[in-house]
Amino acid sequence: GQQVMQIPQYQHVQEGEDFTTYCNSSTTLSNIQWYKQRPGGHPVFLIQLVKSGEVKKQKRLTFQFGEAKKNSSLHITATQTTDVGTYFCAGGGGSNYKLTFGKGTLLTVNP
Amino acid sequence: DGGITQSPKYLFRKEGQNVTLSCEQNLNHDAMYWYRQDPGQGLRLIYYSQIVNDFQKGDIAEGYSVSREKKESFPLTVTSAQKNPTAFYLCASSIGQGARAFFGQGTRLTVV
Repeated sequence: GQQVMQIPQYQHVQEGEDFTTYCNSSTTLSNIQWYKQRPGGHPVFLIQLVKSGEVKKQKRLTFQFGEAKKNSSLHITATQTTDVGTYFCAGGGGSNYKLTFGKGTLLTVNP
Repeated sequence: DGGITQSPKYLFRKEGQNVTLSCEQNLNHDAMYWYRQDPGQGLRLIYYSQIVNDFQKGDIAEGYSVSREKKESFPLTVTSAQKNPTAFYLCASSIGQGARAFFGQGTRLTVV
């Protein structure tokens, strides 16, 4: 079945440094979604990418979807303490409703 | 996310007992999902339902059961056959195929 791998598992940065997490799928995806889960909270939707090679920005966050629609990345510029949490990618594929989540990247930020 | 409610937030049960976790949504979504979250394991899909009276097993369905008698409700029963039931359980819904998922606040189940 479809597998979504996400790296790194953990990332600790100093406030102001950049951060990137990568997502790779074993199969071609119809779309990729990104979620953020704050400590003790539940996943909250950030964005969805659908088109091959698509790039979207949300303030300091940049999301990319690979040309082959099998990989994606989330880049945060100049991290802040409010960026702390676990970032998940989720791949949608095929003709069903199933979303397959990566294991997530836990980001901690040292002020 | 507003519109999807899980209860209770914390649940304690003795080993060997079945327990049912509630999930209700008022978003008129067709699809509903149950995920299990353990530290370092991400979100693992237990069951999902695309429509009323129909559901499919996810990646870790053993020891769990679900029903989908109403569009708004998708309860999950953790049976005594589940060998390691202590975990954080998340319910989600989406409007349709490939759409964003809305998550409930989660239920933290502890079996002692």
